[in-house]
Amino acid sequence: GDSVTQMEGPVTLSEEAFLTINCTYTATGYPSLFWYVQYPGEGLQLLLKATKADDKGSNKGFEATYRKETTSFHLEKGSVQVSDSAVYFCALRGSQGAQKLVFGQGTRLTINP
Amino acid sequence: DSGVTQTPKHLITATGQRVTLRCSPRSGDLSVYWYQQSLDQGLQFLIQYYNGEERAKGNILERFSAQQFPDLHSELNLSSLELGDSALYFCASSQTPKNTEAFFGQGTRLTVV
Repeated sequence: GDSVTQMEGPVTLSEEAFLTINCTYTATGYPSLFWYVQYPGEGLQLLLKATKADDKGSNKGFEATYRKETTSFHLEKGSVQVSDSAVYFCALRGSQGAQKLVFGQGTRLTINP
Repeated sequence: DSGVTQTPKHLITATGQRVTLRCSPRSGDLSVYWYQQSLDQGLQFLIQYYNGEERAKGNILERFSAQQFPDLHSELNLSSLELGDSALYFCASSQTPKNTEAFFGQGTRLTVV
């Protein structure tokens, strides 16, 4: 079945550092890919998405490019802030069958001032 | 605010008991999803409904059941509760099952003592 694998956390960076959180997926067909963010004590919020190969999703300085050849959707940000501290989830929605939303295990990010 | 409302926010109950979690989807959304988030297993898909009909089932225990009502709100019933059922339960909604993104509620934190 469809699956998502994220880099293990936790990840700790200093403010203004460059961020990469790796995400790879396994799916049949042409899934849509997402990054969700969960701030402490809150639900999941959609951060960005890409629905076809070579699409780049971007929001709040975060970017991710849908790479079909490497089945990847890595999250990047050029200069992180303390307010970016949260748990980040990579997810896919399959293009076949029930098309359920499948999540990776989440990566906890902490940014120190 | 995602527009998805979950009640209650917190629930503490004893082992062996039964509880009902409620979800109101965003206005106009016909599809509802339930997820369980525990510390050791990340986000697990439980079940999906579309316009009152069950659409897909994930790792949902037989002690758990759900339904979606004509007004599109959904309830997740958890019975014969065990300590291991303690988790955050999220509801999400989308316009249709084929819609790319889903919007999440704030979650219900269930603690079984």
